[in-house]
Amino acid sequence: QQQVKQSPQSLIVQKGGISIINCAYENTAFDYFPWYQQFPGKGPALLIAIRPDVSEKKEGRFTISFNKSAKQFSLHIMDSQPGDSATYFCAARTGGTASKLTFGTGTRLQVTL
Amino acid sequence: EPEVTQTPSHQVTQMGQEVILRCVPISNHLYFYWYRQILGQKVEFLVSFYNNEISEKSEIFDDQFSVERPDGSNFTLKIRSTKLEDSAMYFCASRGTGSYQPQHFGDGTRLSIL
Repeated sequence: QQQVKQSPQSLIVQKGGISIINCAYENTAFDYFPWYQQFPGKGPALLIAIRPDVSEKKEGRFTISFNKSAKQFSLHIMDSQPGDSATYFCAARTGGTASKLTFGTGTRLQVTL
Repeated sequence: EPEVTQTPSHQVTQMGQEVILRCVPISNHLYFYWYRQILGQKVEFLVSFYNNEISEKSEIFDDQFSVERPDGSNFTLKIRSTKLEDSAMYFCASRGTGSYQPQHFGDGTRLSIL
């Protein structure tokens, strides 16, 4: 019940295309859903995050869509660029003092020229 | 922009030895975390720390692990007797006060157990 399922495992998109990564969860106690971007040899860097009372959040080329009833959320990267090539992790936060993050398994995105 | 810093970037240790991983969280943050990432796998929660005590720990965080905030700036993870399966990237994270403050991660320490 604590798992966050992420798909696809890898994704190849042409420059200028749309990258879509999907995540699903079971635990209704999750109260915050961030996406992290990770480059090789680096730590996860916060990309964008959404609260469950919002259905969509957009920041530049990055959009999160959130479907509370289906317990699913997705990341859309518009106009994908080679510099977006990285591993993307969705995560879900458990509330309270700990506020630990449960991560998805990651999606390796490659944007080709 | 403030960042979480971790040292060393790579630690090589013999099995059975003690290792201490160090982190300097962002200065005004009060919530601290350790996560680990085995090569090619997802990031896994180890422990959260607030107000000088552990607030939650995972089943991975057994008696061989401990955390400490020895002074006002450092946050450490100690593994008393390392095992081969402890080989992983260890990430420190911190967050500020407030309901929806995000966790900020350091670049990690790669721990290799021989």
